[in-house]
Amino acid sequence: DAGVIQSPRHEVTEMGQEVTLRCKPISGHNSLFWYRQTMMRGLELLIYFNNNVPIDDSGMPEDRFSAKMPNASFSTLKIQPSEPRDSAVYFCASSDDRGGETQYFGPGTRLLVL
Amino acid sequence: AQSVTQPDIHITVSEGASLELRCNYSYGATPYLFWYVQSPGQGLQLLLKYFSGDTLVQGIKGFEAEFKRSQSSFNLRKPSVHWSDAAEYFCAVASNYGGATNKLIFGTGTLLAVQP
Repeated sequence: DAGVIQSPRHEVTEMGQEVTLRCKPISGHNSLFWYRQTMMRGLELLIYFNNNVPIDDSGMPEDRFSAKMPNASFSTLKIQPSEPRDSAVYFCASSDDRGGETQYFGPGTRLLVL
Repeated sequence: AQSVTQPDIHITVSEGASLELRCNYSYGATPYLFWYVQSPGQGLQLLLKYFSGDTLVQGIKGFEAEFKRSQSSFNLRKPSVHWSDAAEYFCAVASNYGGATNKLIFGTGTLLAVQP
């Protein structure tokens, strides 16, 4: 299995620009999680999908952030407009409800907003 | 509310020495507990997990952890550390949404340095 795939691995953009992060979960997994990791706040859950439906988005910082999961094999996290404080590593993870407790993480996208 | 505490931010051990990383959790029911490792520039890799049964669980790379309900702890151990173990280690507890899928609450991590 290829594991969770994220793209891009690195993104440098200017403040005000739109940023789109992409995630392909492990085939057969029906839960998908987006996390953000910063030095100040550690690992934070942003949003969680189950069977392509957003279940808990209480961690999404503000309206500038949005996430979609149009099908079982693809999800996006969009930031529009981006701000320097959004600079972080964004991780996607997936899990299978049948063994549901273990989440498998992608390599992350390192975002720098100038 | 569920929480995880990793009291040691940074630990340095000599190669070949034993290691114990501390983790304390707060959770009302029987917890699902995890240890993940993150190497520099990498994602998180699952080392081991505890759901039920034997309180001593074995993981990958020679790691083990012991669940102690009376102490609300889930400490990670390794008898002999290798230089490649240098990384950041995260303890996590799963918070059940009421179904099969769980939200992970992470500790702040412990950064392990290994001296030659």
